[in-house]
Amino acid sequence: QLQLQESGPGLVKPSETLSLTCTVSGGSISSSSYYWGWIRQPPGKGLEWIGSIYYSGSTYYNPSLKSRVTISVDTSKNQFSLKLSSVTAADTAVYYCAGTTVTTLAWFDPWGQGTLVTVSS
Amino acid sequence: DIQMTQSPSSLSASVGDRVTITCQASQDISNYLNWYQQKPGKAPKLLIYDASNLETGVPSRFSGSGSGTDFTFTISSLQPEDIATYYCQQYDNLLITFGQGTRLEIK
Repeated sequence: QLQLQESGPGLVKPSETLSLTCTVSGGSISSSSYYWGWIRQPPGKGLEWIGSIYYSGSTYYNPSLKSRVTISVDTSKNQFSLKLSSVTAADTAVYYCAGTTVTTLAWFDPWGQGTLVTVSS
Repeated sequence: DIQMTQSPSSLSASVGDRVTITCQASQDISNYLNWYQQKPGKAPKLLIYDASNLETGVPSRFSGSGSGTDFTFTISSLQPEDIATYYCQQYDNLLITFGQGTRLEIK
């Protein structure tokens, strides 16, 4: 059974780059035609899809964040990562990583537990 | 971009009630619509995929229907453990958007 776990700094300064990693256990990140994605949720607000990466490396981003987002895969570590540049207070949120274990970018299951990232000086 | 309009934004109902949440897409998305349950402090949980398919292990009191632009999520008999926020999510052309969420409370 696949399990995902986010890791990274909980505090990032404005204008800097937010970097998070998601470690996948219970299976290989590259063994199946799966997608791996990031979703965020500002405190008290709804869910926002940030982007997803196919196991082969193809990426798909939310158009509203595309200019600041990079998602990558490290198959040697069974991890995928998120980088969000030029952050502001509006980027403060719980960040979730999630898998799409079907052969099309469809739904998210399983999810990591989420990690709160606060943007503040 | 496809916009998802979910309603109501909040809902109060009694145990045993039938509860309905709707989600409307700004354009035809066929049946590319999923529903999640999120409890406080927890990650969302997939309940329904492709508009009407119940995820394995999800109680049968949950159901979904619809196609095109109009979708419905129903709890046939509300249980205390169903208190949560529910989200719809569409996937079309390799882009994903969520509805604004519906907070469900017990009356």
